Amino acid sequence: KAGVTQTPRYLIKTRGQQVTLSCSPISGHRSVSWYQQTPGQGLQFLFEYFSETQRNKGNFPGRFSGRQFSNSRSEMNVSTLELGDSALYLCASSLATGITEAFFGQGTRLTVV
Amino acid sequence: GQQLNQSPQSMFIQEGEDVSMNCTSSSIFNTWLWYKQDPGEGPVLLIALYKAGELTSNGRLTAQFGITRKDSFLNISASIPSDVGIYFCAGPSYSGAGSYQLTFGKGTKLSVIP
Repeated sequence: KAGVTQTPRYLIKTRGQQVTLSCSPISGHRSVSWYQQTPGQGLQFLFEYFSETQRNKGNFPGRFSGRQFSNSRSEMNVSTLELGDSALYLCASSLATGITEAFFGQGTRLTVV
Repeated sequence: GQQLNQSPQSMFIQEGEDVSMNCTSSSIFNTWLWYKQDPGEGPVLLIALYKAGELTSNGRLTAQFGITRKDSFLNISASIPSDVGIYFCAGPSYSGAGSYQLTFGKGTKLSVIP
């Protein structure tokens, strides 16, 4: 059974640009959550999607957004990139919202220059 | 918001030694999760705990859900070089819509000396 797949693995973008990251959850999992990991702040929750609806949102500015498709695949978008957005972005999938066993992908390493 | 305090922050041990690390919270958690992360990779779920007092093993790993529901412990027996990595504890904080977000500790970085 394939795990959580995130693409791309690495990205380099320039300040002011926007970026879209993709996540395919484990087959049969319908909840997708996104986390940002930085050396200073650790792992921080961005948002969760279930049944194509955002169910929960962390304390991040509106430049961070996401969506989920009918096949449970999810994308997150960051607009007007800032240097501080450089981080490892991790996607986690769960069977359903409220199910606490979350399985992470390998992450997308975003570097903003 | 809820915070998880993990200790120690880092540890160096000899191969073959046993390891203990713990996680404490100022709030009650209904679930405790332990993850391991290798450099450049995503966290891998090691053990999930659902009940106060529960003791669960996964190979050489054993984790316990504290009776107060405010702490959890992870033990690794007979460490080997591939145990190297960062170990995170995590607990869910629920929103009113039934959704949750995981709160993570800052991690314990484990180094194993062959």
